[in-house]
Amino acid sequence: DSGVTQTPKHLITATGQRVTLRCSPRSGDLSVYWYQQSLDQGLQFLIHYYNGEERAKGNILERFSAQQFPDLHSELNLSSLELGDSALYFCASSVDSLLRGNTIYFGEGSWLTVV
Amino acid sequence: KNQVEQSPQSLIILEGKNCTLQCNYTVSPFSNLRWYKQDTGRGPVSLTIMTFSENTKSNGRYTATLDADTKQSSLHITASQLSDSASYICVVSGPDSSNTGKLIFGQGTTLQVKP
Repeated sequence: DSGVTQTPKHLITATGQRVTLRCSPRSGDLSVYWYQQSLDQGLQFLIHYYNGEERAKGNILERFSAQQFPDLHSELNLSSLELGDSALYFCASSVDSLLRGNTIYFGEGSWLTVV
Repeated sequence: KNQVEQSPQSLIILEGKNCTLQCNYTVSPFSNLRWYKQDTGRGPVSLTIMTFSENTKSNGRYTATLDADTKQSSLHITASQLSDSASYICVVSGPDSSNTGKLIFGQGTTLQVKP
């Protein structure tokens, strides 16, 4: 158990809908990262938050947004869903914003299926 | 162009045998290199982290090596067990990663250990 909690574990929704994925980082970790892993694809960086502030964006679509709350949990909002958004979405956390040699701990992921 | 290339794409070995997975990267400047193990449908779990000044790092039966001059890394698994069956992902921190989660992921090597 990495200590990073993601909900829901599985989600099936229709095209055009909106979903929210939730992440609780490890106790004491200030940085939260979101990654997307599509079938047969490598992990892709989406966005990074540190202590409530957005630090970096990757290849995140405009239909997607995220935020980190004062209690450090984070939510990834996916709207106007398309079939191609079906993927495994991972949240990860680390102690601070400087990766250096810090271990990044991944949650178990949220499986999103868009039908 | 993928900046982190892993080989082989897949590998089947017998239980008890050793194996070596390869990772070549073109990311520059380079900060650190990580190896992760990902069971099917689960979150990646960190095996090793190496900075550019480190040549080798061990974690139990897993030993990672790094040659920063040739931009190559390898992960050696000794006395394989059935539980080693997983995808092994090479992850590199580059110029955009020092303060963010913009890690660059390889496509992974899928290892199957057979009894």
